Amino acid sequence: QKEVEQDPGPLSVPEGAIVSLNCTYSNSAFQYFMWYRQYSRKGPELLMYTYSSGNKEDGRFTAQVDKSSKYISLFIRDSQPSDSATYLCAMSGDSGAGSYQLTFGKGTKLSVIP
Amino acid sequence: DGGITQSPKYLFRKEGQNVTLSCEQNLNHDAMYWYRQDPGQGLRLIYYSQIVNDFQKGDIAEGYSVSREKKESFPLTVTSAQKNPTAFYLCASSWGLDPQETQYFGPGTRLLVL
Repeated sequence: QKEVEQDPGPLSVPEGAIVSLNCTYSNSAFQYFMWYRQYSRKGPELLMYTYSSGNKEDGRFTAQVDKSSKYISLFIRDSQPSDSATYLCAMSGDSGAGSYQLTFGKGTKLSVIP
Repeated sequence: DGGITQSPKYLFRKEGQNVTLSCEQNLNHDAMYWYRQDPGQGLRLIYYSQIVNDFQKGDIAEGYSVSREKKESFPLTVTSAQKNPTAFYLCASSWGLDPQETQYFGPGTRLLVL
């Protein structure tokens, strides 16, 4: 079983739809959870960052972490064509555990159709 | 503008040839990283460096080498020992190795084998 599972899609939605992107993981030591957005042929950029369980909202984006289920989500409200990109989840253990490395999901390719 | 630059954008390698990918950052970050991205796979860590003249192997270091002679530069050499080098290579940097430190990515170099 891979440490981080993410459905690669592709996911195609109409403009204005609510998008739900998800990752599951197996390593209970993960404490830091990130979502990166990657446009085609570009480097990833950090979109959302959450520590431990809970929700975090930033504009149209909401990140949720459920550590009991080992499940994280990214919601995009009122999706726009400019949201069309690949979304990568990434996670890491606490620095006290000696694990600095980010473990990435495969990425979900999202297309928002005008 | 502060950021990370990678060159070249595209690189072609012949069989048995070593090639070097450039990564420069002017963010004054201490930590730098090299990742490899293949279609349908998440980013995988090749090497990382916390400070000048020090670097550590990541998950897939075989067939690669790095140097860190200057804080702002972290070149990656893909050696002839790397039998499947075709991939998108991403350089990143952060203030430190702690997982709460955001990693900022460069635009990437696409390496193709002739």
